This record gives sequence, C-alpha cells and structure tokens, in this order.
Amino acid sequence: TQLLEQSPQFLSIQEGENLTVYCNSSSVFSSLQWYRQEPGEGPVLLVTVVTGGEVKKLKRLTFQFGDARKDSSLHITAAQPGDTGLYLCAGHNNAGNMLTFGGGTRLMVKP
Amino acid sequence: GAGVSQSPRYKVAKRGQDVALRCDPISGHVSLFWYQQALGQGPEFLTYFQNEAQLDKSGLPSDRFFAERPEGSVSTLKIQRTQQEDSAVYLCASSSGQGIYSPLHFGNGTRLTVT
Repeated sequence: TQLLEQSPQFLSIQEGENLTVYCNSSSVFSSLQWYRQEPGEGPVLLVTVVTGGEVKKLKRLTFQFGDARKDSSLHITAAQPGDTGLYLCAGHNNAGNMLTFGGGTRLMVKP
Repeated sequence: GAGVSQSPRYKVAKRGQDVALRCDPISGHVSLFWYQQALGQGPEFLTYFQNEAQLDKSGLPSDRFFAERPEGSVSTLKIQRTQQEDSAVYLCASSSGQGIYSPLHFGNGTRLTVT
C-alpha cells in the first residue's frame, strides 16, 4: 500500500502570512495532485504535477513535486481567509487509475 | 447542475440496519469511484468502476459493503448490518476516462451516522 503523510495536520495563521504544507511518502508516484476541500463539500482539484522537480503556480499557490517523485509541497504566499480549508495531496499509482490520499492539512487563516 | 450528485446528503441509521447510498455521476463519465472519509481524515479508496465493470473493490472494508453500477451510470453503495465504525462521509467521484489526465470530480458526499 502506498501511503502519503501530510504535515502539519493543523495550521492556524494570520492573514498575510506565508505557509508551506508537506506531503511525503516512501513510494514513488506517477503523479501527484493537490485538492482543497471545504466543510460539507467534496474535494476540488487544484493542480496535478507529473515530472520530478516540476513547479506549478496558481496565483498565490506554488506546488512542487520532488525530484524522486516521492514528495510534494504546497506554498501559499500572503494567505487570505478565503484560503481556509482542508488541503489534501493524492498520488496516482503506476496504472494511473487509483488515487491514494494523504490525511490532509487543515488550514485556518484568521483575518 | 452538471456535477456529481449524491443522495441522501445525510443518513442516520440504527446499528444493524441496511443502508443504500446513491451516486449520479457526470453524464458520459466512464470511471466512478467510491471513497470513505472519516472525520478529520483524508478520503480512503473503497471501489472503482469502469462503465458497469467493477475493476477494483480492494478497499471495501468487509463483506457487508457492496457496490454496483448495473448500467454504467448511476451507482449504489450498500452497507448491510451497519456498525458504528461505518459512520463517515461517503464520497463518490467520476471521471471521463482513466489515468492522470482525467481529473476526478467529486460529489458533496453522504454523511452516514450509525447510532
């Protein structure tokens, strides 16, 4: 079983601060995705990273896939209250037909 | 709306009752997944369909759990003789194909509480 560990589990910060969330595994993934989930809703896809070392930017969010494709990070610049939510990383198996999710990082951004 | 629809949104069952959870995927999506999400945790894979074929059911926690998609569209997840540990949000997701370039679209889930 491929496991993904996310850290920290909880993060509470003030508006305007920067933060980084980590997703680590001992397994290699063919690709890795980041989702954001709000209470009472399903996860919504933010980004997919495929190539080792790949960096993708989505406005104030920067996603990086580790060189060995075993880990990833999400960096948020100048966090805003609207960024509050549960951030989930998920890795595809080699066949690309199954996603394994990490346990999530619950982010709260206070105004 | 054209999203994934799940019903009911909330279900309360007494221990030992059977429940059936429904998922209406996005029209034309061939792949359908069921996940279980415990409170404060990430989703855990239960089962996967491609059209009407159940290709992977390795995540179903026991033989009390059964899923079907008889016509390759709507899917039902059935839990027999519910137990308290079955309390969770059950998420359904669909995608247009398979593989990393076919993103999953999730429904809002069914929150099951077993008392």
